[in-house]
Amino acid sequence: GDSVTQMEGPVTLSEEAFLTINCTYTATGYPSLFWYVQYPGEGLQLLLKATKADDKGSNKGFEATYRKETTSFHLEKGSVQVSDSAVYFCALSDQTASKIIFGSGTRLSIRP
Amino acid sequence: EADIYQTPRYLVIGTGKKITLECSQTMGHDKMYWYQQDPGMELHLIHYSYGVNSTEKGDLSSESTVSRIRTEHFPLTLESARPSHTSQYLCASIAEMNTEAFFGQGTRLTVV
Repeated sequence: GDSVTQMEGPVTLSEEAFLTINCTYTATGYPSLFWYVQYPGEGLQLLLKATKADDKGSNKGFEATYRKETTSFHLEKGSVQVSDSAVYFCALSDQTASKIIFGSGTRLSIRP
Repeated sequence: EADIYQTPRYLVIGTGKKITLECSQTMGHDKMYWYQQDPGMELHLIHYSYGVNSTEKGDLSSESTVSRIRTEHFPLTLESARPSHTSQYLCASIAEMNTEAFFGQGTRLTVV
């Protein structure tokens, strides 16, 4: 069945450092891919998405490119801020799946 | 701003009590989901619904039950709460697969 594997955390970086959180997927159909972010005490909210191969999703300085050849959707940001501290989830959904499939989450902490 | 609401936000209850966690959305979405989030952050799907009078069990076995009598309302009930039910519960809705999921802020349940 469909699955998502993402980099284990926690990840701790200094402010202004470069961020990469790896995400790979397996899917039988043609999924859309998502990154969600969860701030402390809150539910998840969409950070960015890509609906087909080679699409790049971007938002708030974060980017991820849908790579079908490597089945990956890695999250990147060039210069992180303390306010980026949160838990990040990679996810997929497609028309053949009955559910949204989430990765296990990566906790990111940014030091001032 | 997501139009999906969960109540209560926090609940502390004694063992053996019956409780209902409320989830409502005003977006007219047919598909709704309940997730249990463990302290390690991972999301476990416990119930989902594709529309009125449709409910299915998710991947994680749960002693809870759900109902879907109206499109906008998807309550989760525990007939007899136990300390093992202590967790955060997240409700989500989605218009169609391949599109963004909207999450409520969650209910943090503690059973003492």
